[in-house]
Amino acid sequence: QAVLTQPPSLSASPGASASLTCTLRSDINVAFYSIHWLQQKPGSPPQWLLRYKSDSDNRQNSGIPSRFSGSKDASANAGILLISGLQSEDEAEYYCMIWENNAWVFGGGTKLTVL
Amino acid sequence: QVQLVQSGAEVKKPGASVKVSCKASGYTFTDFDINWVRRGTGQGLEWMGWMNPNTGDTGYAQKFRGRVIMTRDTSASTAYMELSSLTSDDTAVYFCARNPPRTGDFDSWGQGTLVSVSS
Repeated sequence: QAVLTQPPSLSASPGASASLTCTLRSDINVAFYSIHWLQQKPGSPPQWLLRYKSDSDNRQNSGIPSRFSGSKDASANAGILLISGLQSEDEAEYYCMIWENNAWVFGGGTKLTVL
Repeated sequence: QVQLVQSGAEVKKPGASVKVSCKASGYTFTDFDINWVRRGTGQGLEWMGWMNPNTGDTGYAQKFRGRVIMTRDTSASTAYMELSSLTSDDTAVYFCARNPPRTGDFDSWGQGTLVSVSS
């Protein structure tokens, strides 16, 4: 079982909200981890968006709009990236990442389509 | 402004080695770790390892141990990633990224270097 599992794709309409999930392997408790989120558009390097551990322990990269936010769903053992007020420029691949067993581990990525 | 500028594309034969550079500017090179991440064709992001430019300490992903070496030249504010025993599976775009030590805040990235491995 992969450490981090992301749905391969998600579609949403402009102006709507999109909730991207990152499910941790069942033996890893999301409560103990900072979940990082990165965005990558074709032909560009990834961009680090934010990290979220709790409401009191989180950080956003400078220049990232506040409509990008992180949270957790403890019942699903998952980290969540919420993008509100979707814009066409948000169409990209999104990756989650955690530090596990002395290594940075990425999820497989979710391709977000805004249409 | 903070910039990480990587060396140009490379074409290598199977079994060869490649060395990619990442030149930092706009900040104190030794204040931030440098990580290397790659993305193969049709693949997702894959972390390779990190280096502390101040101490030279490194940590490598298990998959690449024995095959990757990360070094730096502090006088040139440049980090290097050398990968040996290349196979076609190593064809990918390689990125460097900086982060404050002991965080995963990869807040600045190089533009990427395409390494193609083909006979």
